[in-house]
Amino acid sequence: DAKTTQPPSMDCAEGRAANLPCNHSTISGNEYVYWYRQIHSQGPQYIIHGLKNNETNEMASLIITEDRKSSTLILPHATLRDTAVYYCIVSSPWLGNLIFGKGTKLSVKP
Amino acid sequence: DGGITQSPKYLFRKEGQNVTLSCEQNLNHDAMYWYRQDPGQGLRLIYYSQIVNDFQKGDIAEGYSVSREKKESFPLTVTSAQKNPTAFYLCASSSGTGEGSTQYFGPGTRLTVL
Repeated sequence: DAKTTQPPSMDCAEGRAANLPCNHSTISGNEYVYWYRQIHSQGPQYIIHGLKNNETNEMASLIITEDRKSSTLILPHATLRDTAVYYCIVSSPWLGNLIFGKGTKLSVKP
Repeated sequence: DGGITQSPKYLFRKEGQNVTLSCEQNLNHDAMYWYRQDPGQGLRLIYYSQIVNDFQKGDIAEGYSVSREKKESFPLTVTSAQKNPTAFYLCASSSGTGEGSTQYFGPGTRLTVL
């Protein structure tokens, strides 16, 4: 079973920041937080991952709380093309298995 | 372009027939994976391989078989023993396991068994 809890859906206005929350209260010390997104009928796209420090790349920022029990993915300026299902995954990179839950369906509206 | 290719994009088969799905990567990745996705659900791991000539069962391996004879190829066979084969199949690869490794996915093959 997935070790994460995400809201099933969220809306965001185009041009605004999208903040997607994820709870992972049972995360272990060697487990990373990964974020992927999936646009309908396509393969999941890797976005970002982190262990305990906040991370930023060209796509998004990942904010992990100090106790590591929750995190937030931030898309700073959402566009219509960011409409997708976003998956938060907790996994050890040494395990090789990503356990996907149902994710959050983000709808970006004009 | 570097990446993962899966073919075909759509596949139709009659019930009782075996079918093989192709997955090729030119990323020089050691590890490869097969996942299955059903409508409205997340992905579930079928098989994975961390090195050539070696593979392990995932959570739902029954009714499936794989081979890893070459580093760049990891074909999946859906056998007639798989009770509900209609699904979206996704292949992924990673540079290995360990810190910093990330899985990258192919475009998927949608299999429909009639």
